Amino acid sequence: NAGVTQTPKFRILKIGQSMTLQCTQDMNHNYMYWYRQDPGMGLKLIYYSVGAGITDKGEVPNGYNVSRSTTEDFPLRLELAAPSQTSVYFCASSHIIAKNIQYFGAGTRLSVL
Amino acid sequence: AQTVTQSQPEMSVQEAETVTLSCTYDTSESDYYLFWYKQPPSRQMILVIRQEAYKQQNATENRFSVNFQKAAKSFSLKISDSQLGDAAMYFCAYRSDVIQGAQKLVFGQGTRLTINP
Repeated sequence: NAGVTQTPKFRILKIGQSMTLQCTQDMNHNYMYWYRQDPGMGLKLIYYSVGAGITDKGEVPNGYNVSRSTTEDFPLRLELAAPSQTSVYFCASSHIIAKNIQYFGAGTRLSVL
Repeated sequence: AQTVTQSQPEMSVQEAETVTLSCTYDTSESDYYLFWYKQPPSRQMILVIRQEAYKQQNATENRFSVNFQKAAKSFSLKISDSQLGDAAMYFCAYRSDVIQGAQKLVFGQGTRLTINP
């Protein structure tokens, strides 16, 4: 059972570079989420999606973009990387029936230097 | 806005003993959900236990139980018979808004739990 898969696991970017963090789930979940976790802190919601073609901002969306063209995939795009975006990024998903249970990927550790 | 506070940055316990992790939250809602997540060194976030606010009975999952005090807005996690595998960061989370079914979670700062053999 793959669950929620995130790639890459680690990445170092230079200031101003762009990249896409990939997230795929194979559980046919409607809801998908992107969080960031800064050192010593809890997770904060960046964006979420209630289904293919529908996305919305969370608590800290600035500097990020998302798309949801399929049920399985929910990529997170950083257009102009800044040092403040150094963090660990988590993708999560939940089912339409058991909405309260979010399943998390293993995270992507991103450093912007 | 809802907030979640974990006042214990670090805790330690002897193997086989019991430890309680504290969490308080602030909300004006009457119906909501609370969660405890475990984050081991692998970074994977794992749901440990959840509590529905309208249920007075405290949730229990094997060695993990909660003490939910709705009036005091307190939600502590008790781990009985601590095992080495319980060592991890533990996050308390509150389900805030529900938008078209999507559940927005607000997390506390976390408590790092060390198990001493």
